[in-house]
Amino acid sequence: KNEVEQSPQNLTAQEGEFITINCSYSVGISALHWLQQHPGGGIVSLFMLSSGKKKHGRLIATINIQEKHSSLHITASHPRDSAVYICAVRPGGATNKLIFGTGTLLAVQP
Amino acid sequence: EPEVTQTPSHQVTQMGQEVILRCVPISNHLYFYWYRQILGQKVEFLVSFYNNEISEKSEIFDDQFSVERPDGSNFTLKIRSTKLEDSAMYFCASSLTSGTGGDSPLHFGNGTRLTVT
Repeated sequence: KNEVEQSPQNLTAQEGEFITINCSYSVGISALHWLQQHPGGGIVSLFMLSSGKKKHGRLIATINIQEKHSSLHITASHPRDSAVYICAVRPGGATNKLIFGTGTLLAVQP
Repeated sequence: EPEVTQTPSHQVTQMGQEVILRCVPISNHLYFYWYRQILGQKVEFLVSFYNNEISEKSEIFDDQFSVERPDGSNFTLKIRSTKLEDSAMYFCASSLTSGTGGDSPLHFGNGTRLTVT
């Protein structure tokens, strides 16, 4: 069983749509990361959160620690948002490794 | 904005050869990591490094792998005798703190694609 599950695996949206990507995890965590990976392969950190909600531009990330669930929202989506969005968790305890989900491939069509 | 840089971007090697993947972390960062991503699969943790020693490693990081910070700026991953299944994208990352209990974003390099033939 995967410790980090994302849904959907693939998502196609029209430009301007509101997008939600979900992440559920089964372990206790100290933090959750949302990352973006472009076709070239590079990974960019979008958010790190351990509670509540964070916003950066058109991106919003929320986390519910009790329900072990996080969502990434993109408002007014644009073709340049097309990428793989990855949820990763840092388990609780002394570890500082990340456990990654399999990612959500987002394609925003003009 | 400071970046994590990795070289080379693509390395092709023959099975059984040694490879060294190089990374220059962000200069004031203290924690360093290697992750890998086999094509079509999720990113996996290999090793973390702090204060000139390995702080944690995964089951993947066996005796064929080693890491080193030889000169205070570079952070290298060596694979002693490559196997076909080592073919993957290898990502270096760094952070200012360990992240446990603190806000410490992880900064990734663009990766080195290793192809073992």
